[in-house]
Amino acid sequence: DIQMTQSPSSLSASVGDRVTISCRASQSIATYLNWYQHQPGKAPKLLIYATSSLHSGVPSRFSGSGSGTDFTLTISSLQPEDFATYYCQQSYSTPLAFGQGTKVEIK
Amino acid sequence: QVQLQESGPGLVKPSETLSLTCTVSGGSISIYYWSWIRQPPGKGLEWVGYVFYGGNAIYNPSLKSRATISLDTSNNQFSLKLSSVTAADTAVYYCARDLKGWSGNHMDVWGKGTTVAVFS
Repeated sequence: DIQMTQSPSSLSASVGDRVTISCRASQSIATYLNWYQHQPGKAPKLLIYATSSLHSGVPSRFSGSGSGTDFTLTISSLQPEDFATYYCQQSYSTPLAFGQGTKVEIK
Repeated sequence: QVQLQESGPGLVKPSETLSLTCTVSGGSISIYYWSWIRQPPGKGLEWVGYVFYGGNAIYNPSLKSRATISLDTSNNQFSLKLSSVTAADTAVYYCARDLKGWSGNHMDVWGKGTTVAVFS
């Protein structure tokens, strides 16, 4: 099974900051990597699929990059509504797997 | 616009079977893949499995063959049954539409989730 590891597990940032979250796969997954945003009490939301494709309606301040085993989610200018937990997820093979999450908190 | 809604008992006794249903509105269930995902308290997301056209399903081996996911096309629903539950199965359970294409799978529409507690 493919294991996904995110770093950091949490971070504190201010509105307007540039935020970067890393995700590493235990083996190559090409570009089969998705990112989700999850706020407490709400359904997770798809942000980016296939490493860098922005899901419909997602603000352009979100972007993704990477290939193989190393991937990055970048928020170019953090907004108040972006404080949440972010998960990467590999879709290269089953069982589909999520990273452990990165909680973005207000500094 | 496709919407998903989970339903089922909020409390299940240990060793019994957890049964949840996801009702799909605004689109046909006969195409796409349909996933169940869960989040135990204080933990991250775990993929349970998915079902797709023809009723074929693939499961997370971590569930040790306790899970069954099925399609009910007449009611535009899909369901999850998880047998022999323990406290470790206590979680918020989400259903999601899982688009599969050249870029792999991605879950683009999610239900709001339903909390299931395993408690005697």
